[in-house]
Amino acid sequence: KAGVTQTPRYLIKTRGQQVTLSCSPISGHRSVSWYQQTPGQGLQFLFEYFSETQRNKGNFPGRFSGRQFSNSRSEMNVSTLELGDSALYLCASNVEGTGELFFGEGSRLTVL
Amino acid sequence: QQQVKQSPQSLIVQKGGISIINCAYENTAFDYFPWYQQFPGKGPALLIAIRPDVSEKKEGRFTISFNKSAKQFSLHIMDSQPGDSATYFCAASGRGSGYALNFGKGTSLLVTP
Repeated sequence: KAGVTQTPRYLIKTRGQQVTLSCSPISGHRSVSWYQQTPGQGLQFLFEYFSETQRNKGNFPGRFSGRQFSNSRSEMNVSTLELGDSALYLCASNVEGTGELFFGEGSRLTVL
Repeated sequence: QQQVKQSPQSLIVQKGGISIINCAYENTAFDYFPWYQQFPGKGPALLIAIRPDVSEKKEGRFTISFNKSAKQFSLHIMDSQPGDSATYFCAASGRGSGYALNFGKGTSLLVTP
């Protein structure tokens, strides 16, 4: 069974640009969540989707948004990038009813 | 505001020794407490998890001890091996927050030969 797949793995952007990250969950998993990982703040919850609906949202500005498609694949978007947005963005999926999250390897975003 | 506090930040243990990492939480609505292991360049992987209806859970060399009244839980790694060298995160989630995990800041464990 394939794991959670995130693309792209690495990307470099400049301040003010926007970025879209993609996540394909494990087959059969309908719940997808996103986390930001930085050395200073650690792992922080961004949002959670189930059946194309955002079910929960973390404490991030509106520049961070996401969506989920009917096949459970998810994307997150960050607009008007700031230097502080440089981070590893992790996607996780889980079977509804269990809290066991399976993480992808992440997309490492560098903002210059 | 960090909802889960983790210590120590880093830990060095000799091979064969016991590694102990501690976490504390404040939110009594938390009812699921997992530990994740992360190797460089990889995403976190679930190691072991506990719910508050039990005080201890053991899986192989890994044990979670849970103290509900003190709102603390800890990870014990018995017979630590160099391959256990990684960053460990405790986390908590609970009612009303879906599966959103509140993570501790992590402990970098180095097991020396």
